Amino acid sequence: GAGVSQSPSNKVTEKGKDVELRCDPISGHTALYWYRQRLGQGLEFLIYFQGNSAPDKSGLPSDRFSAERTGESVSTLTIQRTQQEDSAVYLCASSPTLADYEQYFGPGTRLTVT
Amino acid sequence: AQRVTQPEKLLSVFKGAPVELKCNYSYSGSPELFWYVQYSRQRLQLLLRHISRESIKGFTADLNKGETSFHLKKPFAQEEDSAMYYCALSGRKAGNMLTFGGGTRLMVKP
Repeated sequence: GAGVSQSPSNKVTEKGKDVELRCDPISGHTALYWYRQRLGQGLEFLIYFQGNSAPDKSGLPSDRFSAERTGESVSTLTIQRTQQEDSAVYLCASSPTLADYEQYFGPGTRLTVT
Repeated sequence: AQRVTQPEKLLSVFKGAPVELKCNYSYSGSPELFWYVQYSRQRLQLLLRHISRESIKGFTADLNKGETSFHLKKPFAQEEDSAMYYCALSGRKAGNMLTFGGGTRLMVKP
């Protein structure tokens, strides 16, 4: 079946512009996660959704970051007024429920802020 | 706070040699530990988890709570094992979010 998909695969933007990253989880997966991976570093947790609810937003790096999810489907991560330090690969993952430890990852969106 | 450390960024071995990818963690509780792998041009995928105590593709990992380690081992490396390996921890908080180590690139030479 189809795995987690993300779009765009690559995004180059100018400093100060807003960007929107999209994640389509595996159908039926209620839990959805966003991570960020800066060059040469491990993955950094950003936010998770249970259904369309994000109970804990403390992992978001700044108030320029926000995320939404429509029902148990698509999620968007929005970065306003992008900065060069936002350049990274943004990964989305989903799992059937929060109790399932295996997370299925998407291919990621590579964001470059010039 | 939970933290995962992978001290080696790169590990290079010859085919048939034993492999040990190191992972140390800090967590004040009973964590769940995982190894994820990313092969070239593929997405990140789960390799194994400590609770299942299984061997996947010849790899095993034992959780050592005394040393707070979860090293990944394979007795005889194969060229197809070349990949990025990430150790991860779930502290059963924040919806089972994962804390990842920085990753180790394993290169298996012919």
